[in-house]
Amino acid sequence: LAKTTQPISMDSYEGQEVNITCSHNNIATNDYITWYQQFPSQGPRFIIQGYKTKVTNEVASLFIPADRKSSTLSLPRVSLSDTAVYYCLVAPSGGNTDKLIFGTGTRLQVFP
Amino acid sequence: SAVISQKPSRDICQRGTSLTIQCQVDSQVTMMFWYRQQPGQSLTLIATANQGSEATYESGFVIDKFPISRPNLTFSTLTVSNMSPEDSSIYLCSVGRDSSTYMYGYTFGSGTRLTVV
Repeated sequence: LAKTTQPISMDSYEGQEVNITCSHNNIATNDYITWYQQFPSQGPRFIIQGYKTKVTNEVASLFIPADRKSSTLSLPRVSLSDTAVYYCLVAPSGGNTDKLIFGTGTRLQVFP
Repeated sequence: SAVISQKPSRDICQRGTSLTIQCQVDSQVTMMFWYRQQPGQSLTLIATANQGSEATYESGFVIDKFPISRPNLTFSTLTVSNMSPEDSSIYLCSVGRDSSTYMYGYTFGSGTRLTVV
């Protein structure tokens, strides 16, 4: 399983765009990149997943360069409620039996 | 995506006792996963539970300490045995993607906050 590296923490202010970059140098050909969000006292929640280029949903965008050795989660116009820990994971997709290994995560603090 | 009900949500237990945590899913799933999350830390995978077979434990976790049952495709239990204060943590269960909605990721329960005194 590919190891991921991401910043331990980030600070932002309401209304700003936040970009969290994750490094995954040993990503395998069949691995997808997935991001999860975790609020205090809750389990992680799936945000977005991608394989290459750009993926966008109603919550975030995910940018993946051609070499796939890194990825960037982009949160547009954050609010106080986006304060959470964000985890980047890589794992094979398409199945439901692969174990997910969590890295340290990035603790995002949004200020008024 | 699947909906998970995890019980209890929290408990305070005496050292040397055991606690069984239940995880109920609203749909049939092949694999269920159990994690531990110590305060301020990331999630650590304890074991993978497949219905009808023994659970597969990660390095550092053993069946005698964390026995797991998986009697059917919607239910699993994790027991924390002979507890010590070092077992104080949040325990979470998770299920894999539904094959028809794989883009929505895995689902996690809300966790069981265990305090051992």
